[in-house]
Amino acid sequence: GDSVTQMEGPVTLSEEAFLTINCTYTATGYPSLFWYVQYPGEGLQLLLKATKADDKGSNKGFEATYRKETTSFHLEKGSVQVSDSAVYFCALSDRASGSARQLTFGSGTQLTVLP
Amino acid sequence: DSGVTQTPKHLITATGQRVTLRCSPRSGDLSVYWYQQSLDQGLQFLIHYYNGEERAKGNILERFSAQQFPDLHSELNLSSLELGDSALYFCASSVGSHGANTEAFFGQGTRLTVV
Repeated sequence: GDSVTQMEGPVTLSEEAFLTINCTYTATGYPSLFWYVQYPGEGLQLLLKATKADDKGSNKGFEATYRKETTSFHLEKGSVQVSDSAVYFCALSDRASGSARQLTFGSGTQLTVLP
Repeated sequence: DSGVTQTPKHLITATGQRVTLRCSPRSGDLSVYWYQQSLDQGLQFLIHYYNGEERAKGNILERFSAQQFPDLHSELNLSSLELGDSALYFCASSVGSHGANTEAFFGQGTRLTVV
């Protein structure tokens, strides 16, 4: 079945540091890929998405590129801020496996940015 | 504010009891999804309804059931509760079904504690 593997957390960085959170996936077909962010006490918010190979999703300074050859969708940001502290989830939806109507999530990565 | 409303925000109940969690989707959204977030299982898809009809089932226990009413709000019923059912239950809504061009909006969740 479909699955998403995220790098283990937690991740602690200083403000303005470079961020990478690794995400790899296993899917039957050609899934759509997402990054969601969960701030303390809130629900998940869509951060960015990519729907086909080589697509780059970007939002609020975050970027991720859909790499079919390595089945990866790593999240990057060049300069993190304290306000980026949150839990980040990589997710996919896969029409080919019949799960287009649901999201399969990774385990989440807790990011803490120190001033 | 995502526009998805979940009630109650917190619920504490005893083992063996039954509870009902409620979700009001964003105005105009026909799809409602339920997810369970627990420490050991992560974020797992439970069930999806579209315009009153069940469309997909994930790892939902037989003790759990859901429905979507004509006004499109949804309820998740959890019965014969066990300690392991303690989790954060999220509802999400979207205009159509999850997919490349459909964003799901998440509520803030209901935290269920079974004692």
